[in-house]
Amino acid sequence: DAGVIQSPRHEVTEMGQEVTLRCKPISGHDYLFWYRQTMMRGLELLIYFNNNVPIDDSGMPEDRFSAKMPNASFSTLKIQPSEPRDSAVYFCASSFFQARSTLHFGNGTRLTVT
Amino acid sequence: AQSVTQLGSHVSVSEGALVLLRCNYSSSVPPYLFWYVQYPNQGLQLLLKYTSAATLVKGINGFEAEFKKSETSFHLTKPSAHMRDAAEYFCAVSDGWIQGAQKLVFGQGTRLTINP
Repeated sequence: DAGVIQSPRHEVTEMGQEVTLRCKPISGHDYLFWYRQTMMRGLELLIYFNNNVPIDDSGMPEDRFSAKMPNASFSTLKIQPSEPRDSAVYFCASSFFQARSTLHFGNGTRLTVT
Repeated sequence: AQSVTQLGSHVSVSEGALVLLRCNYSSSVPPYLFWYVQYPNQGLQLLLKYTSAATLVKGINGFEAEFKKSETSFHLTKPSAHMRDAAEYFCAVSDGWIQGAQKLVFGQGTRLTINP
């Protein structure tokens, strides 16, 4: 299996621009998570889906952030408009219920907003 | 709500020495506990997990951890450090089988440095 695939690996954009991060989970996994990692705040859970349905989005920082999962093999995290404080590494992870919370992480997208 | 505290943001040991990374948790229900490792420019990889079976859990790369309910701890150890163990290590907790069981809360991480 190819593992969780995220794109792009790096994104540099200017403040005010729209940013879309993409994730392909492991085939057969029914949970998908978006995490953000910063030096100051560590790893924060933004949102997670179960069978393509958002279950908990309480970690989404504000309305500028949105996430979708149109099907079992694809998810997006969108920031519109982006701000410098959004600069971070964004990780996607997937799991399946029987694995008892074992998450499989992608290699992340490093976002820099100037 | 669950939480995790990792004592020491940086730990440095000599090659061949004992590795001890500390993790204390807070949970109102029986927890599931995890250690993940992150190498530079990569995502997190599972080292080991405790899911209410044996309290001493063995993981990959020679690491193990012991669940101590009385101390609310889940410290990670390795008898003899290798240079390749240099990485950042994260402890995490989840609520087990309760709705939201898959939701992990991570500690702040401990950066492990190995001295030759």
